[in-house]
Amino acid sequence: NAGVTQTPKFQVLKTGQSMTLQCAQDMNHNSMYWYRQDPGMGLRLIYYSASEGTTDKGEVPNGYNVSRLNKREFSLRLESAAPSQTSVYFCASRRDRGQDGYTFGSGTRLTVV
Amino acid sequence: GENVEQHPSTLSVQEGDSAVIKCTYSDSASNYFPWYKQELGKRPQLIIDIRSNVGEKKDQRIAVTLNKTAKHFSLHITETQPEDSAVYFCAALLGNQFYFGTGTSLTVIP
Repeated sequence: NAGVTQTPKFQVLKTGQSMTLQCAQDMNHNSMYWYRQDPGMGLRLIYYSASEGTTDKGEVPNGYNVSRLNKREFSLRLESAAPSQTSVYFCASRRDRGQDGYTFGSGTRLTVV
Repeated sequence: GENVEQHPSTLSVQEGDSAVIKCTYSDSASNYFPWYKQELGKRPQLIIDIRSNVGEKKDQRIAVTLNKTAKHFSLHITETQPEDSAVYFCAALLGNQFYFGTGTSLTVIP
């Protein structure tokens, strides 16, 4: 079991460029999430998917899009990157039956210049 | 939505002393409260959790208490060690979504 796998680990983009962050889990979890982590602000939810085929906005969705490709994969896309999107991005999943915590991916450190 | 506040934002303790981190939440419907430890450059890792029908839970040197009436929960680390140095996050589950505190940076001084 790899758990939650996130790629890439590091990325530098120029303002206006686009990219997709990939996330896959092999734990048969129903729910998947994308967070961004900024100093002093904790973890803020961008988008989540409660089940295959559904996605919902979180606290900070502007400038992002997501796709729940299948039960395993949940991708995050930046269509036109801005310096304000410089952050560390974490994907997470959870079983969503009963009360269970997240399993996090290893994170993507994104810098937009 | 839920609002989770966490205090203090930074905490320094001498090795061997205890550390306490406190969180409050706003929505009484929140029913599950995990704590995560994040070491520098690493992913958050679940270290302990508590459900709303339990008042206290202990796992070796770590304990969590929950006061549903006051809507606050706390993380207690006893006999702290240098490897406890990290950022700790509390969270509250409301519906299908977790709401996180802003984190406490704990430094254990040898």
